Amino acid sequence: AQTVTQSQPEMSVQEAETVTLSCTYDTSESDYYLFWYKQPPSRQMILVIRQEAYKQQNATENRFSVNFQKAAKSFSLKISDSQLGDAAMYFCAYRSALVSGANSKLTFGKGITLSVRP
Amino acid sequence: KAGVTQTPRYLIKTRGQQVTLSCSPISGHRSVSWYQQTPGQGLQFLFEYFSETQRNKGNFPGRFSGRQFSNSRSEMNVSTLELGDSALYLCASSPRGRAASNSPLHFGNGTRLTVT
Repeated sequence: AQTVTQSQPEMSVQEAETVTLSCTYDTSESDYYLFWYKQPPSRQMILVIRQEAYKQQNATENRFSVNFQKAAKSFSLKISDSQLGDAAMYFCAYRSALVSGANSKLTFGKGITLSVRP
Repeated sequence: KAGVTQTPRYLIKTRGQQVTLSCSPISGHRSVSWYQQTPGQGLQFLFEYFSETQRNKGNFPGRFSGRQFSNSRSEMNVSTLELGDSALYLCASSPRGRAASNSPLHFGNGTRLTVT
């Protein structure tokens, strides 16, 4: 079974600064997808960024980028130029690339609460 | 395009009662998944439905059940409620099939269930 670990329960960053959120995972599969989701107080899980394991290039989405280290099974999220609206819980998640019923679910980490100081 | 809609937003029930939660997926999405979110256990997968059939099930007791209708709308039911069932229940939808295997899940705002 796959597991996702987010070891930091909370982090804080000064507005306009850069912060990195850590995530490690464990799997025996070679093909999979990794995601970072943001959950603000509104409760809706919002996709921030995704990475396909077979792609060596790190994904980027505007101020958000990842550092994907497949051999180390590490998938960290870097937020540049942090804004007050970035304050939320962030979840790292894993999904198998195998298309079958048993592999259709997302496995989430425990999440990290990010606060942004003005 | 409208997002995933979950009703109701909040629900308060008493131990022993049963509850039904509803989820309408994004138009064109045929797969619906349910997750339970609690402070202690985090986000845990409940089940996934596609074409009115349960495709995958998480490690939850039989009191938790669900179904999907022909229009892809889904409901989940919890019978004989326990205090530990208090949680945020999130529904997510996605396309299905090999071409869509890398499609992320689109989540609703969730239903906050409180059991007293």
